[in-house]
Amino acid sequence: DGGITQSPKYLFRKEGQNVTLSCEQNLNHDAMYWYRQDPGQGLRLIYYSQIVNDFQKGDIAEGYSVSREKKESFPLTVTSAQKNPTAFYLCASLPGQGKNSNQPQHFGDGTRLSIL
Amino acid sequence: GDSVTQMEGPVTLSEEAFLTINCTYTATGYPSLFWYVQYPGEGLQLLLKATKADDKGSNKGFEATYRKETTSFHLEKGSVQVSDSAVYFCALSTDSWGKLQFGAGTQVVVTP
Repeated sequence: DGGITQSPKYLFRKEGQNVTLSCEQNLNHDAMYWYRQDPGQGLRLIYYSQIVNDFQKGDIAEGYSVSREKKESFPLTVTSAQKNPTAFYLCASLPGQGKNSNQPQHFGDGTRLSIL
Repeated sequence: GDSVTQMEGPVTLSEEAFLTINCTYTATGYPSLFWYVQYPGEGLQLLLKATKADDKGSNKGFEATYRKETTSFHLEKGSVQVSDSAVYFCALSTDSWGKLQFGAGTQVVVTP
């Protein structure tokens, strides 16, 4: 079955450490997105990418970085500059470079990041 | 900018009760509207969508109608089950990047 795989499911970060969250999709979608979910705040967009080797900052990009070297993969790095990284992180994808706003995004099952 | 406002939870209901979750939006242009559902520890699943005024989205007994005049997209279900306990998110999309603007989510708890 096609879908989005996020790993790991749980991740712990020490102070001053960078960590990378994996997102892989086999849906052949062009566009991919990273969201952060905090209790009572809904989802906020961190970064998004419409095609390989191109990505854009979302609403809360500070302290995060991404790469898009392959169509299937869109890893997110939470850097030590992100002072409050504890959250649930969700990856999503969309066909057609996201240019049709009628289409729903497909989501992975998320990674929960906590600080040690 | 674009925004979505949905009623705060938790909403606690007995099985077979009627469910309504209010959602209103502010947007430039003509957004597409979505309801997503999130079960504990999981990602979001699309529940239903509507892409133009007066469209009605429906799925699994849930319905929502795109009301342009009131800028609303309220979610309804006539008879809820315990398995409907989840967090429900209203969202809109207006731009060519496919980005979604989410409401804060409404937790629904259905008791036997």
